Amino acid sequence: EVQLVESGGTLVQPGGSLRLSCAVSGFTFSSHWMHWVRQAPGKGLVWVSRINYDGSDTLYADSVRGRFTISRDNAKNILYLQMNSLRADDTAVYFCVKDRLHTGTYVGFRWGQGTLVTVSS
Amino acid sequence: EIVLTQSPLSLPVTPGEPASISCRSSQSLLHRDGYNYLDWYVQKPGQSPQLLIYLTSSRASGVPDRFSGSGSGTDFTLKISRVEAEDVGVYYCMQPGQAPPYSFGQGTQLEIK
Repeated sequence: EVQLVESGGTLVQPGGSLRLSCAVSGFTFSSHWMHWVRQAPGKGLVWVSRINYDGSDTLYADSVRGRFTISRDNAKNILYLQMNSLRADDTAVYFCVKDRLHTGTYVGFRWGQGTLVTVSS
Repeated sequence: EIVLTQSPLSLPVTPGEPASISCRSSQSLLHRDGYNYLDWYVQKPGQSPQLLIYLTSSRASGVPDRFSGSGSGTDFTLKISRVEAEDVGVYYCMQPGQAPPYSFGQGTQLEIK
């Protein structure tokens, strides 16, 4: 069974930093692209960042580029999101998402349960 | 950037009746591999999104056959043949093929009358 378990969300002050983690199991992590997607309270889904299967290629939404860094440890089956210079509008539930195989085979996104990040003084 | 526009945004439905949600894209979602990269997800109250339909019309494992997806290019539709109480939630379309960014529709709130 595919499992994605996020952690690290907490209350942080504006300008602060935080690192989210996503521990995965039930599939070959090192063969899949992965994403972070966020959802502000009461709002819709917004894509944040993507990393390819071996970490050599990353993409970011304009709103987080230069502040957030996505990375992965394929030996430990963990996805990360380093978040710096946090702002109030970064407040959201952050979801870890499993994407396609590195071969391109696509069968939809699978989502973790999310972790809440609150940026406030 | 590809913009996905869903309609309606609110959908009250009587149990047993059909329901339909439209998703229109600002650009064609037809990929060079011949597939239209458009997915449907539902977020039930208090839960994370779960996959219903991928690549326009393929049902995810465990999804009842009352759910179906269709469309091509820029116009897509999710249909529920007979709505049940457990179908309450927010339905999102998403395009995972052209990036960045991967974009979502605004969401359609399905409620039971």
